[in-house]
Amino acid sequence: NAGVTQTPKFRILKIGQSMTLQCAQDMNHNYMYWYRQDPGMGLKLIYYSVGAGITDKGEVPNGYNVSRSTTEDFPLRLELAAPSQTSVYFCASSQDTSLNYEQYFGPGTRLTVT
Amino acid sequence: AQKITQTQPGMFVQEKEAVTLDCTYDTSDPSYGLFWYKQPSSGEMIFLIYQGSYDQQNATEGRYSLNFQKARKSANLVISASQLGDSAMYFCAMRAYSGAGSYQLTFGKGTKLSVIP
Repeated sequence: NAGVTQTPKFRILKIGQSMTLQCAQDMNHNYMYWYRQDPGMGLKLIYYSVGAGITDKGEVPNGYNVSRSTTEDFPLRLELAAPSQTSVYFCASSQDTSLNYEQYFGPGTRLTVT
Repeated sequence: AQKITQTQPGMFVQEKEAVTLDCTYDTSDPSYGLFWYKQPSSGEMIFLIYQGSYDQQNATEGRYSLNFQKARKSANLVISASQLGDSAMYFCAMRAYSGAGSYQLTFGKGTKLSVIP
């Protein structure tokens, strides 16, 4: 049981480039989330999904896109990277039921845009 | 809108002593949950403890306990018998209804705890 996995761990992008951050979970969780963590700050929700085919915006969605074609995978797409997107990105998943609300986090992807 | 406030940017505690990390919250949702996560310098997010708004008793998990005072809207984390490995950032977070049929997690800015030998 690998939990939540993210690739890559580190990435440097030039301004205007695009990339996809990969996220996968093997816990059969319906709920998945993408957060960003800027230096010295807490996590902010970018996008989330309550099941395959269903996604919605969080607090800071501008400059990002997501898709959820399977229960396991929830990739985050950055189009036209900007220095303001330099951050650590965390993917998480949860059952989100009364039995268990805990969100399980991946190890994070550290992205630098220069 | 949901809000989490952690007023202590940094805290020091002597090894083996207890420490309390403060967290206050604001929400209009009567059904919500409060979490504490630990983030060591390696960067991963580690779940510590959860308290539901309707739970009658304060949550405890080993050396961690959550001092839940609903009327004051506070959910302080108490770590007993601090260990050097407790040195980390600690985040308070709240799960509450955000509209459009969804619940979201809102995080505070965190408290950096340093345990002194």
